[in-house]
Amino acid sequence: AQSVTQLDSHVSVSEGTPVLLRCNYSSSYSPSLFWYVQHPNKGLQLLLKYTSAATLVKGINGFEAEFKKSETSFHLTKPSAHMSDAAEYFCVVRGDPWGGSYIPTFGRGTSLIVHP
Amino acid sequence: GAGVSQSPSNKVTEKGKDVELRCDPISGHTALYWYRQSLGQGLEFLIYFQGNSAPDKSGLPSDRFSAERTGGSVSTLTIQRTQQEDSAVYLCASSPPSALAKNIQYFGAGTRLSVL
Repeated sequence: AQSVTQLDSHVSVSEGTPVLLRCNYSSSYSPSLFWYVQHPNKGLQLLLKYTSAATLVKGINGFEAEFKKSETSFHLTKPSAHMSDAAEYFCVVRGDPWGGSYIPTFGRGTSLIVHP
Repeated sequence: GAGVSQSPSNKVTEKGKDVELRCDPISGHTALYWYRQSLGQGLEFLIYFQGNSAPDKSGLPSDRFSAERTGGSVSTLTIQRTQQEDSAVYLCASSPPSALAKNIQYFGAGTRLSVL
């Protein structure tokens, strides 16, 4: 079984300040973890993924995330927010396919609001 | 086009009518997923197709929902006797077969279904 919890439904930051979107997961198997972004009226776009290589993963648009197995966390960060970062962000866990968990599990999403 | 294409982009229907939603995945992608996204909610998995294997229908909420994938490419999601609670954005995603990339999902822009 697998699950993912996004700890904040909304995060509000000022432009130019750091961004932290929190995600905790549980998985019976070695997980693959992803962050996707969804801008209004658009489909989801992959930001970054972790698949058991380096624990610090760099993605597009200056985002990065760190896999911490001891804390079962995969928080998304960015040093300096831009107005264009305002969107909905989804943390996703996918279990070991050999365990039968082909289906990804999505968090409920975190809405990032960026103030000028 | 190069991306996942969904049609129509918007659909308004009356309660009790049947609707068909179409997804055209990226050429060569063997996996195809349907999700439902209700207002303020995360993504709810509906159904998963992988190549010629039997689909995983474990997420379909009722027998009013069905989906097929013809020729391993285009998929149609059918909702019979629509209800107001079926109103949502229906998202389709596809994944490539390569071992490294198969966990990455590419999303369409979705079909916004409104049941009056």
